[in-house]
Amino acid sequence: AQSVAQPEDQVNVAEGNPLTVKCTYSVSGNPYLFWYVQYPNRGLQFLLKYITGDNLVKGSYGFEAEFNKSQTSFHLKKPSALVSDSALYFCAVRDGPSGGSYIPTFGRGTSLIVHP
Amino acid sequence: NAGVTQTPKFQVLKTGQSMTLQCAQDMNHEYMSWYRQDPGMGLRLIHYSVGAGITDQGEVPNGYNVSRSTTEDFPLRLLSAAPSQTSVYFCASSYSGLFTDTQYFGPGTRLTVL
Repeated sequence: AQSVAQPEDQVNVAEGNPLTVKCTYSVSGNPYLFWYVQYPNRGLQFLLKYITGDNLVKGSYGFEAEFNKSQTSFHLKKPSALVSDSALYFCAVRDGPSGGSYIPTFGRGTSLIVHP
Repeated sequence: NAGVTQTPKFQVLKTGQSMTLQCAQDMNHEYMSWYRQDPGMGLRLIHYSVGAGITDQGEVPNGYNVSRSTTEDFPLRLLSAAPSQTSVYFCASSYSGLFTDTQYFGPGTRLTVL
């Protein structure tokens, strides 16, 4: 069965410092990977996705993520954090065409807190 | 472009009552989905649709019904509400691909079942 893990419930970082939000996954085939952000009392907003191609994916608001097939990871990164980046971040995975399930699995979410 | 809209924003039901959560999108997206979000958990797929007249079950479909008579609308019906259905419900749509394309989410409906 496919799964996704976000090992940190909360990440704290100072404004201006780089940030990383971790995500690891397990699928049968080649994955479709997504990052979404949720601000308080709002729906999820798309940040970036990996389908195929370049392992480094650039997304909205200066975020990027690196697909690492050998480590089955898709960590979200940003070189310089902003206070306004404080939100809940979700990693999601869907198995590829040769895999078992087409239903997406979302991680439990990581709360990012950026301190001024 | 309003995107994905959901009504109501908040709802309180008594056990056994039924209700319909409304979802509409104005982006001409073929794919629409319903998720529930519970504390400390990721979103879980309830039902989805790949086009008007076509729906299918997701991960947690029990207690919910859907229909898709138009491209724009995808209502979610709770048949007989139970406290376990207390959750935040999100509707989402995407232009193409069965969960391989970017999903656009509505603002959510916070449902409490007493």
